[in-house]
Amino acid sequence: GEDVEQSLFLSVREGDSSVINCTYTDSSSTYLYWYKQEPGAGLQLLTYIFSNMDMKQDQRLTVLLNKKDKHLSLRIADTQTGDSAIYFCAEMFSGGYNKLIFGAGTRLAVHP
Amino acid sequence: DTEVTQTPKHLVMGMTNKKSLKCEQHMGHRAMYWYKQKAKKPPELMFVYSYEKLSINESVPSRFSPECPNSSLLNLHLHALQPEDSALYLCASSRGGSGGTDTQYFGPGTRLTVL
Repeated sequence: GEDVEQSLFLSVREGDSSVINCTYTDSSSTYLYWYKQEPGAGLQLLTYIFSNMDMKQDQRLTVLLNKKDKHLSLRIADTQTGDSAIYFCAEMFSGGYNKLIFGAGTRLAVHP
Repeated sequence: DTEVTQTPKHLVMGMTNKKSLKCEQHMGHRAMYWYKQKAKKPPELMFVYSYEKLSINESVPSRFSPECPNSSLLNLHLHALQPEDSALYLCASSRGGSGGTDTQYFGPGTRLTVL
């Protein structure tokens, strides 16, 4: 079955880089997503990557995909206090309808 | 514009009340979704509407009743809820159809408390 796993917590110093990791099981997933959720808010789409890509960069965000190991990472450069949030990795279920399979979410805490 | 709006922002209801959650998008998307999110958990899919027809019901209890009056609106009617139904209810929309990415865009959610 499909499953997405993430580490639950990451603490970084302001100005450092943050790397949030994710593993998934569905090798036929075509798209993988990163969403950000601030306290009490909805999910904000950060970026996504197509499964035939290895890397995607968007300003301070870099997504790396290792399809062989089914490993996805999100790197945030120059992490700021405003980046403190929960980050969800998600894969698109390949079973015929558009269902996102979410990881448990990684809480990123940025300290001075 | 990738905005999905939801009303109300907060809702408190008793177990005998009937209430409705509303969701709206004007991106021309043809797929709309309801998710339930409990504290410290990821969102869980409840319903999917595709081209205004219910295409997925993830075994949701009948006290939750979705409705899609038109391609821009999605409602969730609530009746006889239980305290364990208290959660953040998220609406999302996507382009719909097949082929290419079908990225889902989420609204801010309705925080529901059932007393």
